[in-house]
Amino acid sequence: NAGVMQNPRHLVRRRGQEARLRCSPMKGHSHVYWYRQLPEEGLKFMVYLQKENIIDESGMPKERFSAEFPKEGPSILRIQQVVRGDSAAYFCASKMGGSTDEQYFGPGTRLTVT
Amino acid sequence: DQQVKQNSPSLSVQEGRISILNCDYTNSMFDYFLWYKKYPAEGPTFLISISSIKDKNEDGRFTVFLNKSAKHLSLHIVPSQPGDSAVYFCAANFGNEKLTFGTGTRLTIIP
Repeated sequence: NAGVMQNPRHLVRRRGQEARLRCSPMKGHSHVYWYRQLPEEGLKFMVYLQKENIIDESGMPKERFSAEFPKEGPSILRIQQVVRGDSAAYFCASKMGGSTDEQYFGPGTRLTVT
Repeated sequence: DQQVKQNSPSLSVQEGRISILNCDYTNSMFDYFLWYKKYPAEGPTFLISISSIKDKNEDGRFTVFLNKSAKHLSLHIVPSQPGDSAVYFCAANFGNEKLTFGTGTRLTIIP
């Protein structure tokens, strides 16, 4: 059973470009979470999605950031007009369902904005 | 506002001895707590969890203790092994699904 997959693993963008980060959850998992880790900090929640629905986006900046989890295909975190402060590691996690199920994390995408 | 705190950024322990990692939280609504282990350039790996209805949960060399009145939990690893060297994150939630993480403790096991 493959784990959570994220691609690309490393992404370099110039200021003002768009970044697209992809996450394929574990098989059978219908809940997807995105977290961001800035240097020397812990992971911070961004958004929680189920298929075709955003359940909680309270941790996501109101501008430039968006997320989706379509019926078919991976979840996408999209950052428009990137700035240097967006440089971070972005982790996706998935779980099957139920509030006490553990979240399983992907390897992360390290975004560098130059 | 840091609702989950890991006040020790780093800890060094001799191989074979006990490693104790601590975590404090401020939100009394949290009812589920987890520990994750993270190696560089990898995602966090789930280690062990505990529900607020318990005060102890054990899995092999790993034991998590929860003291609700003190809003404190700890992770004990015994005996510590070189492969345990990693950053350990404490996390908590209260049914609304999202995890709130601490800032992590870097554990180094000295051979």
